[in-house]
Amino acid sequence: NFMLTQPHSVSESPGKTVTISCTGSSGSIASNYVQWYQQRPGSAPTTVIYENNQRPSGVPDRFSGSIDSSSKSASLTISGLKTEDEADYYCQSYDSTNLWVFGGGTKLTVL
Amino acid sequence: EVQLVESGGALVQPGGSLRLSCAASGFTFSNYSMNWVRQAPGKGLEWVSYISGRSSSIYYADSVTGRFTISRDNAKTSLYLQMNSLRDEDTAVYYCARRVRGTYSYYFDYWGQGTLVTVSS
Repeated sequence: NFMLTQPHSVSESPGKTVTISCTGSSGSIASNYVQWYQQRPGSAPTTVIYENNQRPSGVPDRFSGSIDSSSKSASLTISGLKTEDEADYYCQSYDSTNLWVFGGGTKLTVL
Repeated sequence: EVQLVESGGALVQPGGSLRLSCAASGFTFSNYSMNWVRQAPGKGLEWVSYISGRSSSIYYADSVTGRFTISRDNAKTSLYLQMNSLRDEDTAVYYCARRVRGTYSYYFDYWGQGTLVTVSS
C-alpha cells in the first residue's frame, strides 16, 4: 500500500520560515494531488493547501505548497511564522486501494 | 454557515456495535460526497469510509471492510456509520468530513468536531 512519510516534528522561531516534507513510498507523488491539513490542539483539521499548491480562501499567503517529482516528495512551507501556526500538519494523497491516504503528521513548534 | 455535528460516540466492549451520526447544515447535503475519518488517541488521521451524494458509490478502508457500514439520509441531511465487531484498535475520535471538488481533484473542506469511540472491556 502507498504510504506518506513526514518528519515527526519540526521547530522554528517566530518570523522564520519552515518547510515540512511529505515523501511517497512508491511511484511518483506527482501522479496524484497532495493536500495539507492543519490541526490545532483539541480541534478538527482544516485545509491549508489543496491540489499541491492552492490555498482555500482565508488561508494566508504565508502558506505555500510544492511538489518535487524527482524526489517523490511534497512540501508545505510556512513563512513569517506566528505562534498561532503551532499545530500538527498532515499531508494527504491517494492510493488505489485505500483511496485517501494521510501522512503520519508533523508537529510544528514555534518557539 | 456549513456545520457538521457528530454524535453517538461512547464506551463499548470489544465485539460490540455502535452507530455514529453526523448532522449537516448550511449546504445542499445531497450535492456532496461525505467521508468518515478517524484519529486514534495521540495518533494521525486515518480515512475510514466514503459515500457519494446519492449513495451510488461507497468505499471503505481495508481496516474496517466487512465490519463498518456507511449510509446517509439526504432528507434528514445526516450521515451515519454503523460499526460492528468493534476492536480495541477502533478506539478513536471519528470525524465526518465533506468532500469538495477543486479545479482538478477533490479534498476535504469542512470537518466536524468529532465524536469519541472507546472500545474497551
